[in-house]
Amino acid sequence: DVKVTQSSRYLVKRTGEKVFLECVQDMDHENMFWYRQDPGLGLRLIYFSYDVKMKEKGDIPEGYSVSREKKERFSLILESASTNQTSMYLCASSPGLARFEQFFGPGTRLTVL
Amino acid sequence: AQSVSQHNHHVILSEAASLELGCNYSYGGTVNLFWYVQYPGQHLQLLLKYFSGDPLVKGIKGFEAEFIKSKFSFNLRKPSVQWSDTAEYFCAVNAANNDMRFGAGTRLTVKP
Repeated sequence: DVKVTQSSRYLVKRTGEKVFLECVQDMDHENMFWYRQDPGLGLRLIYFSYDVKMKEKGDIPEGYSVSREKKERFSLILESASTNQTSMYLCASSPGLARFEQFFGPGTRLTVL
Repeated sequence: AQSVSQHNHHVILSEAASLELGCNYSYGGTVNLFWYVQYPGQHLQLLLKYFSGDPLVKGIKGFEAEFIKSKFSFNLRKPSVQWSDTAEYFCAVNAANNDMRFGAGTRLTVKP
């Protein structure tokens, strides 16, 4: 079974703090993704990575950056957290693009005060 | 860029009722289609997927979906829902440009 783990289930941070969300997958997948999930908006892609040290912007990259130094790990960074970044963050991985399903982690519910 | 529309925000059914959740997408080329489900407190998981071939695809837990190319639709169906089907359902489309798009989701509540 593919396992995608995220470092925290719940996180509370203050405005202006730097926030790191970590994601690890154990299936040697090439591709990893970060989404945010908000009620009524579904999942929106923040960034994805198709290889180590490679990254592509998704639909809503503003205010976020990512890092992929190792194949199994994909980090999402909020450089200076703001209240409008309060959300559920989902990490996913897949062995390829297009035809391949994505496997999701449990999510991190981030609250920025 | 393609977009995905799910017609119903919240559907409430009684057990044993039939279910159909609508999904339409806007992309004229080849698409790969998915339905994901998120049970309360759990992570998103794949229900079924369509790449090519028979447009009627069967997934887990008795779900099926039909791809109608002329209508740009991929509706999810189940003949008889159970209380345990209470969840949020997401349609997703991945076009040949590898851009996966999710719909806004439909929350299904099944009353016992």
